[in-house]
Formats: sequence, structure tokens, C-alpha cells
Amino acid sequence: NAGVMQNPRHLVRRRGQEARLRCSPMKGHSHVYWYRQLPEEGLKFMVYLQKENIIDESGMPKERFSAEFPKEGPSILRIQQVVRGDSAAYFCASSTIGTDTQYFGPGTRLTVL
Amino acid sequence: GQQLNQSPQSMFIQEGEDVSMNCTSSSIFNTWLWYKQDPGEGPVLLIALYKAGELTSNGRLTAQFGITRKDSFLNISASIPSDVGIYFCAGPNSGGSNYKLTFGKGTLLTVNP
Repeated sequence: NAGVMQNPRHLVRRRGQEARLRCSPMKGHSHVYWYRQLPEEGLKFMVYLQKENIIDESGMPKERFSAEFPKEGPSILRIQQVVRGDSAAYFCASSTIGTDTQYFGPGTRLTVL
Repeated sequence: GQQLNQSPQSMFIQEGEDVSMNCTSSSIFNTWLWYKQDPGEGPVLLIALYKAGELTSNGRLTAQFGITRKDSFLNISASIPSDVGIYFCAGPNSGGSNYKLTFGKGTLLTVNP
């Protein structure tokens, strides 16, 4: 299956810990997007990356959140010093070019205790 | 920012019935996307619409891009139990960032066998 892969699928952290979410795009895709979904809400755009470049991070909180997409390896969404409000499902999507036709991964469900 | 309003919020139908749901916006969208999300999974693209007035089918699903560019609807004919899930409409933001998708809050569909 060459779909978008995300891991872990579920992540539990205590307040103040760090959360690292990984995303491997579909084969042949070099554009990655991260979205956050709160309970009973639609997905909200966070950040758009290409290899080694952050193109648009206008949806990312200014503090504690960062994202990268290195030349080798998966894209990483990092949340430092997590708080309960960070509990959500985080989805990664990928595409061949910067476009609206994005393919989503299964998500990582983050729970902050 | 741009917002998408979906209705109804939820639907309970009997297997075999047809379903219709819609999505409206106060601003113009140049692309309309319909996704389905199963519990614990990521959204899966069902239909993409790129032209005002366009009517597109995918099996038992039919979607239309409204003439005003401010609405779209999705119909499901002869529903089956596996149609259960949350259906989201989405579209790219205007202003050149066509990769930044805005999602509605979704329509939850329950199909009674």
C-alpha cells in the first residue's frame, strides 16, 4: 500500500511532555500538509511543506509547534510542552504539486492527560 | 476567513434510501471537494468539482458545483450500511493559496440496515 503513512496512530502524553508525529507521503509526492481536527469539527490547515522548506505555516500556533520535512525521512510535526488543548487528531496529506488534490493519512490521535 | 456551512449536521436513514446533503459559503470557491471520513480514519476524497454547474458522479454518489460558486451538494443513491461515516465538503482558500483547504464541520450519516 503506497498511501500516506502516519505514526503513531495513537499517542498519549502528560502535560509538559513533547509529542512527535510522523508522516511519510505517498510515493512520488514531495508536498506535505498538516491539519488538525478537534472533536466534532472539520479539519483546520496548519502548515504546508516541501522537502527542506516550510512554504506556509500560517495555521500553526506561534509557540510550541514546529514542523519539518527533511531531505531524507518523514515529515515531523513537533509539539513541545503539550497542554490539554492540544488533544486532537492530526492529519497529514500529500500531493505531487502544491494543489487542492490532497491525499490524507489515517491520522494520529493525540491525548494529553 | 472563509467558512463552509454543511447541512444537515446528521442524518439517520434506512438502507436503500437516497440521501442529499449540501454545503454553502458566503464567499466564492473555485473548487469543491467532497470527502468521507470513517471512524478512526483520515478523510478519503470522493469527488472533486472544478467548474460552476458541473455535475459529477462516482458510482452511487453524485455531486454538483453550484452556479453561484457558493454552494455544492452531494447525493447518495440506494444507501448501504458501509455509507456510514462523516461527509465533509472542502475547498481551497481564494487568493492564490489553493493548497490551503477549508473544511465544513461535516454531515454524520447513519444507515440502519
